[in-house]
Amino acid sequence: DIQMTQSPSTLSASVGDRVTITCRASQSISSWLAWYQQAPGKAPKLLIYKASSLESGVPSRFSGSGSGTEFTLTISSLQPEDFATYYCQQYNTYLYTFGQGTKLEIK
Amino acid sequence: QLQLQESGPGLVKPSETLSLTCSVSGGSISSSSYYWGWIRQPPGKGLEWIGSISYSGSTNYNPSLKSRVTISVEKSKNQFSLKLSSVTAADTAVYYCARQAGGVREFDYWGQGTLVTVSS
Repeated sequence: DIQMTQSPSTLSASVGDRVTITCRASQSISSWLAWYQQAPGKAPKLLIYKASSLESGVPSRFSGSGSGTEFTLTISSLQPEDFATYYCQQYNTYLYTFGQGTKLEIK
Repeated sequence: QLQLQESGPGLVKPSETLSLTCSVSGGSISSSSYYWGWIRQPPGKGLEWIGSISYSGSTNYNPSLKSRVTISVEKSKNQFSLKLSSVTAADTAVYYCARQAGGVREFDYWGQGTLVTVSS
């Protein structure tokens, strides 16, 4: 299995801050990576696919980058609705695996 | 707008079989472009992919669950289903159904999820 490791596990930030979450794969996954946002009690929502492609309807303050084994999700200016948990997911092979999640908290 | 809705018992006894259905509306499950998957999330924990199926019935399963999982598609009802046998308390989770934008792709539409508790 390809292991996905996110850092940090928890991130405290304020409205308007720029934040970055990192996801590392245990082996190269090219650009086959997605990012999801999960609000409490809600289903995950797709933000980014193929490492850097913005899903339709997702605000442009979200961006993704990286390839191979290291990837980042950046939120350029945090809004109140962005405080949630974020997951990365690899789909290099059909055995899909997710990171453990990064909880973004209000400072 | 595509919508997915999970349904099934919220309580299952240990050693029995968990059965859930995902009803798809606003689009056809028979499109050759998509796969349909199940993902679960134990309370307070992360996401685990269970398995996926194409419109034609081709399946991929998580090896850690493969011996206990069956996913099937019912095109006439625009539904797909999950069966997980011999459940234990470790199978207690919110179960999500979701659409994949292709054979090996991200999950772009999700159901709201349904909590299944395994307890006697």
